[in-house]
Amino acid sequence: AQRVTQPEKLLSVFKGAPVELKCNYSYSGSPELFWYVQYSRQRLQLLLRHISRESIKGFTADLNKGETSFHLKKPFAQEEDSAMYYCALSSSGTYKYIFGTGTRLKVLA
Amino acid sequence: EPEVTQTPSHQVTQMGQEVILRCVPISNHLYFYWYRQILGQKVEFLVSFYNNEISEKSEIFDDQFSVERPDGSNFTLKIRSTKLEDSAMYFCASNQGWGGETQYFGPGTRLLVL
Repeated sequence: AQRVTQPEKLLSVFKGAPVELKCNYSYSGSPELFWYVQYSRQRLQLLLRHISRESIKGFTADLNKGETSFHLKKPFAQEEDSAMYYCALSSSGTYKYIFGTGTRLKVLA
Repeated sequence: EPEVTQTPSHQVTQMGQEVILRCVPISNHLYFYWYRQILGQKVEFLVSFYNNEISEKSEIFDDQFSVERPDGSNFTLKIRSTKLEDSAMYFCASNQGWGGETQYFGPGTRLLVL
């Protein structure tokens, strides 16, 4: 069965520190992977997706098929990065997303 | 930039009542989705809809649920007889639909069943 795991419910870091939000997936085929961010009282917004390989707001994520991971990284956290982050998977033959449980990132001043 | 909209933002209803949640997807999108998130839990897929019919549904989407595109702009989720456990945030999303394409989410409707 397809599954997305985000092991950390809460991650607290100090401003300027590096951030890594973990995402592991379970899927035997070639997945499409996404990171969505939800700022306080706002909608889910796409942060980035593996297919585009771009950096958004300083965040990057690399798909590691060997480790079945898609960790989200940023070298220097900012206070405005505080939000809920969701990793999502879309598999071939279906258009639905399977979400992880999310990680709340708190960036402390 | 066009956005998915949802109404109402909050809905309180009594157990057993019918509720209709409304969504206006982005106008040139072809695929529409409903997800829900029970408080403290993950966002879960309910149903996808394309070309005026359901293309996929989850185990959660039982006979109490139905979806409809009543006109060219609205996409609705109906819960016929609400249960306490239907209390959740319901998100609508839309996209063009090709595999791996980004889904654009609405702000959600918070449903509380008493």
